[in-house]
Amino acid sequence: EDQVTQSPEALRLQEGESSSLNCSYTVSGLRGLFWYRQDPGKGPEFLFTLYSAGEEKEKERLKATLTKKESFLHITAPKPEDSATYLCAVLLSGGSYIPTFGRGTSLIVHP
Amino acid sequence: GAVVSQHPSWVICKSGTSVKIECRSLDFQATTMFWYRQFPKQSLMLMATSNEGSKATYEQGVEKDKFLINHASLTLSTLTVTSAHPEDSSFYICSAPGLAGVQETQYFGPGTRLLVL
Repeated sequence: EDQVTQSPEALRLQEGESSSLNCSYTVSGLRGLFWYRQDPGKGPEFLFTLYSAGEEKEKERLKATLTKKESFLHITAPKPEDSATYLCAVLLSGGSYIPTFGRGTSLIVHP
Repeated sequence: GAVVSQHPSWVICKSGTSVKIECRSLDFQATTMFWYRQFPKQSLMLMATSNEGSKATYEQGVEKDKFLINHASLTLSTLTVTSAHPEDSSFYICSAPGLAGVQETQYFGPGTRLLVL
């Protein structure tokens, strides 16, 4: 069965304290892995798509990396406005557009 | 980037009434749209895939007669919650696949919060 597991469920950081969020996956065939940010009461906002092991993408304080079993979202020197839930999703090979989502990591950055 | 809108953003209704939620792709065409529901502190749960010009595909356990989906044009999909009950209260989100530059993605609407009294 295809699975996407995110850890930790919740993370509290002090402003400037760098850390990483993990997304591990067990799927029959990976076409792509998505990272989204979701603020309370809003729809998810697209961050990155990663396609192959070794790939890295950056956006401001965020960097996403991908291996054959997991992806990390590294947050460097976070600010309070980075507080949100970060969702990981995988897109399976085979032509489907339907992503499989993890449960998310709730990040709170204290000033 | 591409924009997906939803209307209304929130709705309160009485038990037994029906509620229609609209999902529009504003600057691109979407032959496929997805409908999700999300409970507090839970992840997104796919309800159904909406296909323009054909019947929606529902996920296992989702009642097709309760959650009516219509995808009448390339920019509009609607979800109607029929005879709503308090257990239908949730956050409903639609999405459409697209490209962000060369990256595949799903563009999500802002969500509709439904409260059934």
